Amino acid sequence: QSALTQPPSASGSPGQSVTISCTGTSSDVGGYNYVSWYQQHPGKAPKLMIYEVSKRPSGVPDRFSGSKSGNTASLTVSGLQAEDEADYYCSSIRVFGGGTKLTVL
Amino acid sequence: QVQLVQSGAEVKKPGASVKVSCKASGYTFTSYGISWVRQAPGQGLEWMGWISAYNGNTNYAQKLQGRVTMTTDTSTSTAYMELRSLRSDDTAVYYCARELADWAFDYWGQGTLVTVSS
Repeated sequence: QSALTQPPSASGSPGQSVTISCTGTSSDVGGYNYVSWYQQHPGKAPKLMIYEVSKRPSGVPDRFSGSKSGNTASLTVSGLQAEDEADYYCSSIRVFGGGTKLTVL
Repeated sequence: QVQLVQSGAEVKKPGASVKVSCKASGYTFTSYGISWVRQAPGQGLEWMGWISAYNGNTNYAQKLQGRVTMTTDTSTSTAYMELRSLRSDDTAVYYCARELADWAFDYWGQGTLVTVSS
């Protein structure tokens, strides 16, 4: 299976909202409500932020939200904070996106 | 609390094999599968394969078929990943992760750097 498609970079100022897209096919993103999102800071292991498209694990701030339309899933980070600067990866059915580097300006 | 603790960094020559361990604690080991994910320097995440800690069933990424073997030891709640015939492009940080029924990975090990160099 091919990797899911994410934009290589995204940015926003503190307090703003930013949305990262993740495009797959009807065999993965579009066919199942099984999309997850991971945050990875440099030198650290990935951390689960969203699962099953829009569910947040305990401890993840509600500033992070997920959605899906057709073959494209999205992660929205509202009220950007400096600590949100990281790489973000989507995944569906064991296929990862290429990652998006989020910069907080 | 759930923890996955991996073995330490390895340096291997091309053609050699490496075996990385992942010791689980804080949950019933046999109730979840373990996936292995690797990340080459400066690159993204790549799923390598999955093993059921319940019955040992495996599912490997097609590109690694024949070179990778995943096993578990339920007596010590430890998962293992062995990669053979190492090449320079196998240089990466290797992670184990607990996999949920919906294919999400909720807990990750700290990562093990494997360097392949002559």
